[in-house]
Amino acid sequence: SQTIHQWPATLVQPVGSPLSLECTVEGTSNPNLYWYRQAAGRGLQLLFYSVGIGQISSEVPQNLSASRPQDRQFILSSKKLLLSDSGFYLCAWSVWRDRYNEQFFGPGTRLTVL
Amino acid sequence: GQQVMQIPQYQHVQEGEDFTTYCNSSTTLSNIQWYKQRPGGHPVFLIQLVKSGEVKKQKRLTFQFGEAKKNSSLHITATQTTDVGTYFCAGPDSNYQLIWGAGTKLIIKP
Repeated sequence: SQTIHQWPATLVQPVGSPLSLECTVEGTSNPNLYWYRQAAGRGLQLLFYSVGIGQISSEVPQNLSASRPQDRQFILSSKKLLLSDSGFYLCAWSVWRDRYNEQFFGPGTRLTVL
Repeated sequence: GQQVMQIPQYQHVQEGEDFTTYCNSSTTLSNIQWYKQRPGGHPVFLIQLVKSGEVKKQKRLTFQFGEAKKNSSLHITATQTTDVGTYFCAGPDSNYQLIWGAGTKLIIKP
């Protein structure tokens, strides 16, 4: 069965500090991978998605970046965090099967930038 | 660009009352998906509808996909405390990436 891991679960960082969030998927190959951000009480904002190693599509211009160094590893980074980067960061994966492409989410990382 | 609108933003109900959330897309969708996010948790896939006019049931949950494949609804009969959370609809864009509704938060009145 497939499993998705995200860490850390909670993170408190000062403004201007760097960020690295990691997501790994087990039990599937060549998944589509996604990074979302969710502000408190709000909907999902797609940040990045990847259809393969080294292939990253950015949905929202900002001070965040993403990388996919391995098939089942997706990393979200920032060189200098802003207060507005606070939120709940969710990694997700999907694989096309027939016409079905549901997404499966990791447990998320709650980031607070102070 | 393509948008998926979802209403209402919040719905307060007494336990045992029904709940409905509506989703409307600016374009025809190949499919629509529904997810539930419990408080403090992550979204969990509930169901995907593919066919025009499709209706699917999961116990007390009824999902409908409109004839024009541009709108959808989720109806919960006789809500229970376990139903609390935010319900999201999502449909794929031309690049097969999901466009998400803003979600409807179901709140059970004490």
